[in-house]
Amino acid sequence: AQSVSQHNHHVILSEAASLELGCNYSYGGTVNLFWYVQYPGQHLQLLLKYFSGDPLVKGIKGFEAEFIKSKFSFNLRKPSVQWSDTAEYFCAVPSNDYKLSFGAGTTVTVRA
Amino acid sequence: NAGVMQNPRHLVRRRGQEARLRCSPMKGHSHVYWYRQLPEEGLKFMVYLQKENIIDESGMPKERFSAEFPKEGPSILRIQQVVRGDSAAYFCASSPPAGPETQYFGPGTRLLVL
Repeated sequence: AQSVSQHNHHVILSEAASLELGCNYSYGGTVNLFWYVQYPGQHLQLLLKYFSGDPLVKGIKGFEAEFIKSKFSFNLRKPSVQWSDTAEYFCAVPSNDYKLSFGAGTTVTVRA
Repeated sequence: NAGVMQNPRHLVRRRGQEARLRCSPMKGHSHVYWYRQLPEEGLKFMVYLQKENIIDESGMPKERFSAEFPKEGPSILRIQQVVRGDSAAYFCASSPPAGPETQYFGPGTRLLVL
């Protein structure tokens, strides 16, 4: 079964700083990859997804993620964060066609 | 378009009571999934249902937990005789038939067992 690890439990940074959140998965075959975000008090939202093609994926709100097959990684990046990016971020990988395996999540706090 | 709806958003129960959590999928979605998030952990898959069918319940605890998705009405996750360890956030997701790998999540139900 797939397992997903997120390296950082809590990240604190200032506005305009760059953000990179690590995500590694265990399975080496064909893989789909997701990043979800949960803003305070809100539901989980899909930030971006990778199925195939260009390994650099653009998502909503200026986020992007890069799939590096050789490193089993799918790190999330944003060049310049805003206070409104304060949220919890989850990396997820399907274990099969439908069962998503989530990382433990990274809480990002952006200080104004 | 209404998203995935869950109710209640918060539920408090005493040990031994029953908890019923409801989920209405997005319009056009016939696949429903339940996940549980324990404190300090990521979401864990519990069960996958289609209308009137349980497809995969491999993540459900063997006792006290059940799920259904009737022909009419919302999907229900039922926890009988709750214990403190059941305190968690329970998320429902739905997907269209052609794309089960892309799931849209509801706001979750926070269950607190006293």
